[in-house]
Amino acid sequence: AQTVTQSQPEMSVQEAETVTLSCTYDTSESDYYLFWYKQPPSRQMILVIRQEAYKQQNATENRFSVNFQKAAKSFSLKISDSQLGDAAMYFCAYQSNFGNEKLTFGTGTRLTIIP
Amino acid sequence: NAGVTQTPKFRVLKTGQSMTLLCAQDMNHEYMYWYRQDPGMGLRLIHYSVGEGTTAKGEVPDGYNVSRLKKQNFLLGLESAAPSQTSVYFCASTEWDTEAFFGQGTRLTVV
Repeated sequence: AQTVTQSQPEMSVQEAETVTLSCTYDTSESDYYLFWYKQPPSRQMILVIRQEAYKQQNATENRFSVNFQKAAKSFSLKISDSQLGDAAMYFCAYQSNFGNEKLTFGTGTRLTIIP
Repeated sequence: NAGVTQTPKFRVLKTGQSMTLLCAQDMNHEYMYWYRQDPGMGLRLIHYSVGEGTTAKGEVPDGYNVSRLKKQNFLLGLESAAPSQTSVYFCASTEWDTEAFFGQGTRLTVV
């Protein structure tokens, strides 16, 4: 079974600065997807970024980018130019590409933005 | 363009009562899931379905049952609610090579 570990329960960053959230995972599969989801106080789960394991290039979405290290099974999220609206719980998730597509989540990192 | 809709959004139950949570998706997705979210534990998979008429157990299935009689609907049932089932419940759906879409969550309190 796959596992996802987020070792930082809470993080804080000054507005306009850069912060990196860590995620490691364990799997024996070679083909899979990795995600970062944002959950603001509204409770809605919002997809931030997606990485396909077979792609070596790190995914980027505007101010959000990842550092995907497949051999090390590491998948960190970098948020540049942090904004007040980035304050939320962030979840790292793993999705198998072999039949049931289910997501396995980490325990989350609560990000606080300091004005 | 509703996406994934969960009903109800909030519910308070007494211990021993039963209830059904409804998840409906309008994207013709094959795969549907029920998760529960508890503080410090992330989202944990309760049950899932890979197509109409199929269901399978996830990580924490005890005390729950599910049914997928129609492709667009995935029902989660609690036969005899317990305080340990106090949680926020999320439904999600997806298709191969597509991101997962989540409902808005149901906050359930069992007293």
